[in-house]
Amino acid sequence: GEDVEQSLFLSVREGDSSVINCTYTDSSSTYLYWYKQEPGAGLQLLTYIFSNMDMKQDQRLTVLLNKKDKHLSLRIADTQTGDSAIYFCAESIGGSYIPTFGRGTSLIVHP
Amino acid sequence: IAGITQAPTSQILAAGRRMTLRCTQDMRHNAMYWYRQDLGLGLRLIHYSNTAGTTGKGEVPDGYSVSRANTDDFPLTLASAVPSQTSVYFCASSATGEADTQYFGPGTRLTVL
Repeated sequence: GEDVEQSLFLSVREGDSSVINCTYTDSSSTYLYWYKQEPGAGLQLLTYIFSNMDMKQDQRLTVLLNKKDKHLSLRIADTQTGDSAIYFCAESIGGSYIPTFGRGTSLIVHP
Repeated sequence: IAGITQAPTSQILAAGRRMTLRCTQDMRHNAMYWYRQDLGLGLRLIHYSNTAGTTGKGEVPDGYSVSRANTDDFPLTLASAVPSQTSVYFCASSATGEADTQYFGPGTRLTVL
């Protein structure tokens, strides 16, 4: 199976919360990331979390990490149409190791 | 501050032709990467370089070559392009010690006919 798995699509109504989920297999992961890719653009780092943390909050974004289940989630509060994009989960074990990316979740925000 | 630039933005290429995709960063990052992005397959690593003068193979290196003569530039060459290399190519860079955070270029859309 893949090292990092995500569902491919998520559709939400504007103003609702979005939750994008990710599972990974490497228990030695040190950093876990969320990247955002808008249409026609490259990936942009949204946030990352160290593996010794359970939660990280940054304005409308909340990242939750369950190390036992190797599950990472990104919650976007008050989702706006500008949040429509592909969201990539990634993990790295650090020390110049190259991050492994999931296939991305397409978030569609409709009015 | 430009970050990472890629050139060209897009290109249509005849099969069998040689093509070099350019990537330049001005952040003095030691590590650089080339990915291809295909629908349904996500990002796949082609080649990487941890520091100037060294390169390594990623998940899908066949048909591609890279060089890293200096810190800033990391060109990707297709020696003899084939239609299966039609893709969007992203260059990225990162600095050791910054949680391996990668910074991506805007991408090059390549079509091989």
